[in-house]
Amino acid sequence: GESVGLHLPTLSVQEGDNSIINCAYSNSASDYFIWYKQESGKGPQFIIDIRSNMDKRQGQRVTVLLNKTVKHLSLQIAATQPGDSAVYFCAENLGTGRRALTFGSGTRLQVQP
Amino acid sequence: DTGVSQNPRHKITKRGQNVTFRCDPISEHNRLYWYRQTLGQGPEFLTYFQNEAQLEKSRLLSDRFSAERPKGSFSTLEIQRTEQGDSAMYLCASSSQGGDTEAFFGQGTRLTVV
Repeated sequence: GESVGLHLPTLSVQEGDNSIINCAYSNSASDYFIWYKQESGKGPQFIIDIRSNMDKRQGQRVTVLLNKTVKHLSLQIAATQPGDSAVYFCAENLGTGRRALTFGSGTRLQVQP
Repeated sequence: DTGVSQNPRHKITKRGQNVTFRCDPISEHNRLYWYRQTLGQGPEFLTYFQNEAQLEKSRLLSDRFSAERPKGSFSTLEIQRTEQGDSAMYLCASSSQGGDTEAFFGQGTRLTVV
């Protein structure tokens, strides 16, 4: 399944399928990006990050792709599990020495057993 | 528990009252952040400390909001004369120094102003 980020805030997939969550970021000067997972009632949990000098980074079952040309970030989750159900946020650091992260509004991932 | 700790977890207050939240970061982290999150939205940056110095403040941090980190360890966020619009989840995060490092978030303090 694939989402189009802010225009489709809920993504529903079957257990075992691959999920792709998309994010369009706002600032071409952003140099650091993070994907967070947030479960209900909990704080955001770090999943994976990527710097602007890279276009792909892989973790355990997750891959982040960065396309700076179109200011697009995606999170791919392989073999999605029910425990992956949560809201996923992309966040960007605007660089220039600032530390603040700017978060997108998130995509809810629902995994059907 | 070695994660970021926030207290209280929930706070209900009457409009006009002052409230104070506490954040204890991961012990070796010298960077500390406060964010605010309303229902269905992503966290919004409020302020950032490096050790005891407050280096960044968002324009969201009105004059009713003040944050401190007096000894470079725990931090407090105070909201004076609370308004119903202040109802939100207040999140604290910390990170270590050295390039770009991910911020680790606490569970948050949920504030309800009635």
